[in-house]
Amino acid sequence: ETGVTQTPRHLVMGMTNKKSLKCEQHLGHNAMYWYKQSAKKPLELMFVYNFKEQTENNSVPSRFSPECPNSSHLFLHLHTLQPEDSALYLCASSQTGDGNTIYFGEGSWLTVV
Amino acid sequence: SQKIEQNSEALNIQEGKTATLTCNYTNYSPAYLQWYRQDPGRGPVFLLLIRENEKEKRKERLKVTFDTTLKQSLFHITASQPADSATYLCALISGTYKYIFGTGTRLKVLA
Repeated sequence: ETGVTQTPRHLVMGMTNKKSLKCEQHLGHNAMYWYKQSAKKPLELMFVYNFKEQTENNSVPSRFSPECPNSSHLFLHLHTLQPEDSALYLCASSQTGDGNTIYFGEGSWLTVV
Repeated sequence: SQKIEQNSEALNIQEGKTATLTCNYTNYSPAYLQWYRQDPGRGPVFLLLIRENEKEKRKERLKVTFDTTLKQSLFHITASQPADSATYLCALISGTYKYIFGTGTRLKVLA
């Protein structure tokens, strides 16, 4: 139990589907993140939210749409994805401030067919 | 451009030996550097944080060094065990929320 819960753990979707990834953190943190992890590439920061406000959008295509209704929940809405979007999507949270540890969920494995 | 490089994609060592992993960075001036462990199919788990004014940090069998002149951090696991086999990631904190990760080194400890 990491304190950050992601659902679903595995998702297969077609290129025309719409689906969402969900993340919930039970750590009382202020900041939440989406990262993408592809084979042989470093973790790519996608979005950052601090106190529900988006503070970072790392040039992510609009087919990925984040939503942060409160400090404990974060969603990633997926629409018309491409096969190259298949990856492990990791949600994380941290307390606001420099040097704080970032806590990751177990990830959602996404396959786009 | 800003880069974080970890010395090798994979490292095999014999049980009981010391594993040394390297993290080099360019065009950053981080105040902190962190190391994480990631097991297959799982999210990364925090291990150690070292500040720019600290030369060395230890936790049980783990030791991290941070040389801001060389722009390098070394991560050591002493008396390594097969259970230490995993991918190890270094991360810099560039700004309040930007945790930037290296590609990782996959360590395998052979029994």
